[in-house]
Amino acid sequence: DAGITQSPRHKVTETGTPVTLRCHQTENHRYMYWYRQDPGHGLRLIHYSYGVKDTDKGEVSDGYSVSRSKTEDFLLTLESATSSQTSVYFCAISEAGGSGNTIYFGEGSWLTVV
Amino acid sequence: AQSVTQLGSHVSVSEGALVLLRCNYSSSVPPYLFWYVQYPNQGLQLLLKYTSAATLVKGINGFEAEFKKSETSFHLTKPSAHMSDAAEYFCAVRRESNYQLIWGAGTKLIIKP
Repeated sequence: DAGITQSPRHKVTETGTPVTLRCHQTENHRYMYWYRQDPGHGLRLIHYSYGVKDTDKGEVSDGYSVSRSKTEDFLLTLESATSSQTSVYFCAISEAGGSGNTIYFGEGSWLTVV
Repeated sequence: AQSVTQLGSHVSVSEGALVLLRCNYSSSVPPYLFWYVQYPNQGLQLLLKYTSAATLVKGINGFEAEFKKSETSFHLTKPSAHMSDAAEYFCAVRRESNYQLIWGAGTKLIIKP
């Protein structure tokens, strides 16, 4: 299994509070991703990073920010959580930008915003 | 624009029967295509991928998929279903503009004893 650790694995938070999810990898892969998974929508890319301090938006980036200060860590922050952000969040990594290279996924973080 | 469509949000087969999960794609360039599997409460793992080599691709756990350009399809098959195959399966195509993956909505495979 790829060395990807997500924390926390489960969190319940209140609307309007900030939330940070952490992804830690031990594979030294260049690319890191944050996805959200919702029934009927498959996986949707929130943000991704192609190196330390190099990030870009995905298709559902509104309301989310990311930071990558070290190769091994990629943080996803919900500045002010809303109920629509209740979801399962997956971190993923790959050696290169999806050019046929395998993307490895973490175990997921279940976030409930009440 | 590129897209992926998985036909059927749920597919139910009997143990020992043929598994067929359908995926159609849209792409103006030769696509890179992927199948991933997700077991309950876990992340996704790669089953197989097509990267313009052989059109019949073999993956893990006895699964295979055939790339058919004329039908714009990349259907996933397995000759004989096992109870352990119960999971959700996702098809994806690589986006050419930024190499990220475009995901289908997923198909939940149910195995009947």
